[in-house]
Amino acid sequence: AQSVTQPDIHITVSEGASLELRCNYSYGATPYLFWYVQSPGQGLQLLLKYFSGDTLVQGIKGFEAEFKRSQSSFNLRKPSVHWSDAAEYFCAVAEHSGGGADGLTFGKGTHLIIQP
Amino acid sequence: GAGVSQSPSNKVTEKGKDVELRCDPISGHTALYWYRQSLGQGLEFLIYFQGNSAPDKSGLPSDRFSAERTGGSVSTLTIQRTQQEDSAVYLCASSPRQYLTDTQYFGPGTRLTVL
Repeated sequence: AQSVTQPDIHITVSEGASLELRCNYSYGATPYLFWYVQSPGQGLQLLLKYFSGDTLVQGIKGFEAEFKRSQSSFNLRKPSVHWSDAAEYFCAVAEHSGGGADGLTFGKGTHLIIQP
Repeated sequence: GAGVSQSPSNKVTEKGKDVELRCDPISGHTALYWYRQSLGQGLEFLIYFQGNSAPDKSGLPSDRFSAERTGGSVSTLTIQRTQQEDSAVYLCASSPRQYLTDTQYFGPGTRLTVL
């Protein structure tokens, strides 16, 4: 069965500093990978996704992620964080059954804290 | 345009009672998904619908859980004889089609508390 690991439960970053959130997956075939953000009291919002092609993908709000097959990783990055980036971040992989797409398998999430 | 809506936003119930959670997907989206978010288990996929059909119900936690979708639109997740371990936020998502590449758009969730 596929799985997603986000090794960091909490990360604290100073405003204006760079950010990298780690994500590792376990999946036999070519994975379809996603990063979602959940702000307090809000639903999940898609930041970016990777299916194929260029391994560096750009998303909304200045985020990017790089797919590295050799490391089974899909880390999320941002050059300079803003206080509004404080939220919970989830990495996910799409699950594919014999009959078609199923749901997403999510990591446990990384809680991002921004220090002034 | 309108996003995915869920009702109620909060539900407090007593152990043993039945509850119904409703999801209104984005208009025209044929695929609909239910997830559960809890402190212990994180985000878990429960079930998906393509149109009104749910091909695989194995993700539902127990036979107390059931879901249906009518008219290719509204979906209801029903939990019978609720238990305290059912307390969680139940999230619904929809996508234009049931393809891996389609973005799933999430609703704000229903927070269920079982006393």
